[in-house]
Amino acid sequence: AQTVTQSQPEMSVQEAETVTLSCTYDTSESDYYLFWYKQPPSRQMILVIRQEAYKQQNATENRFSVNFQKAAKSFSLKISDSQLGDAAMYFCASDNAGNMLTFGGGTRLMVKP
Amino acid sequence: DTGVSQNPRHKITKRGQNVTFRCDPISEHNRLYWYRQTLGQGPEFLTYFQNEAQLEKSRLLSDRFSAERPKGSFSTLEIQRTEQGDSAMYLCASSLGAERQFFGPGTRLTVL
Repeated sequence: AQTVTQSQPEMSVQEAETVTLSCTYDTSESDYYLFWYKQPPSRQMILVIRQEAYKQQNATENRFSVNFQKAAKSFSLKISDSQLGDAAMYFCASDNAGNMLTFGGGTRLMVKP
Repeated sequence: DTGVSQNPRHKITKRGQNVTFRCDPISEHNRLYWYRQTLGQGPEFLTYFQNEAQLEKSRLLSDRFSAERPKGSFSTLEIQRTEQGDSAMYLCASSLGAERQFFGPGTRLTVL
């Protein structure tokens, strides 16, 4: 069984600043993927970034990057140059070869103008 | 837009009634997933299909829940004899094999 934990229920960042959201996970699988999803208020879940566990290089997508520490089972998301549109719930998730996603409890990100 | 669609978007029902939700995946996607999300929580996996075959079911999926995917296209999720604890957002997602899952907008169920 997989578990995903997000220890920060809420985070706040000033517009244009950088924020890091934390995530830890536990899995017995050797081959798995890790994700960060964004869920804006009353809008659908969208994928922000994806990391394959066998890759040592941290994934990057424009202003979004991850710090993947496999031994520590840690997978944090860094958002640079925060924008008002980044305000949303962020969910960390893991999956084992595409069978199902296991989500954390989420972190609500607020962006202050 | 050819994304994942779900209908209805909102459903209000009385306790004890049956409800059915529909999900239309992205056309070429062979996998379809159902999740449930309660307020303030992350989504929880319910079940998934590969083509028309239901391959995995969560323990959350009690006997009152049934899902189908006839012909490997759209899927329906039926809840019989609804209870107040069934109130949640029901999310559908689809993928091509083990690739990334694309989510629909969800169906919000309120059981009075």
